[in-house]
Amino acid sequence: EVQLVESGGGLVQPGGSLRLSCAASGFTFSSYEMNWVRQAPGKGLEWVSYISSSGSTIYYADSVKGRFTISRDNAKNSLYLQMNSLRAEDTAVYYCARMVAAAGEGVWFDPWGQGTLVTVSS
Amino acid sequence: DIQMTQSPSSLSASVGDRVTITCRASQSISSYLNWYQQKPGKAPKLLIYAASSLQSGVPSRFSGSGSGTDFTLTISSLQPEDFATYYCQQSYSTLYSFGQGTKLEIK
Repeated sequence: EVQLVESGGGLVQPGGSLRLSCAASGFTFSSYEMNWVRQAPGKGLEWVSYISSSGSTIYYADSVKGRFTISRDNAKNSLYLQMNSLRAEDTAVYYCARMVAAAGEGVWFDPWGQGTLVTVSS
Repeated sequence: DIQMTQSPSSLSASVGDRVTITCRASQSISSYLNWYQQKPGKAPKLLIYAASSLQSGVPSRFSGSGSGTDFTLTISSLQPEDFATYYCQQSYSTLYSFGQGTKLEIK
């Protein structure tokens, strides 16, 4: 069974840091591009970051650029999100999602992990 | 950046109804449009990819159509388990933006 399990969320003060992890199983992790998506309480989905299968290509949403760092360890089947200089508006459930691609059809996210809640508050 | 706009933002319907949700892109995105379903407290689930391709295991009452800037998700006969929030997502550009969501509620 393809599975993604996030961890590392919690309560952090404004300006603080947190590192999220996403453990993958049931598929060849090193062959897939991965993403982080977040959802503020009661709000919609916001794409956060992308990393290629090798880790050589990375993209960020403008809202987190310069503060967040995505990385992966293919030997450990794990995806990470290092979050620094956290702000109240970063409070959200953070999901990791596997990206599936097909020529001429674009890409889509499937599956998603269950999410981990990050709360930024003093 | 490509902006995705869904309408309506919320919708009340009854079991058995036919429902259509619309998603509009701020520029042409060809057929690079996906639809997700999210239930309260759960992760989003892929329903439709590439505008009209049904994800494996998703009931055939769900269908998608459109290309360019205008897209629709149709549920042909609503079932109790379909009451949820639906999101569109573009994959034309690497910012992979989502629509604001459409909450489908029981009338």
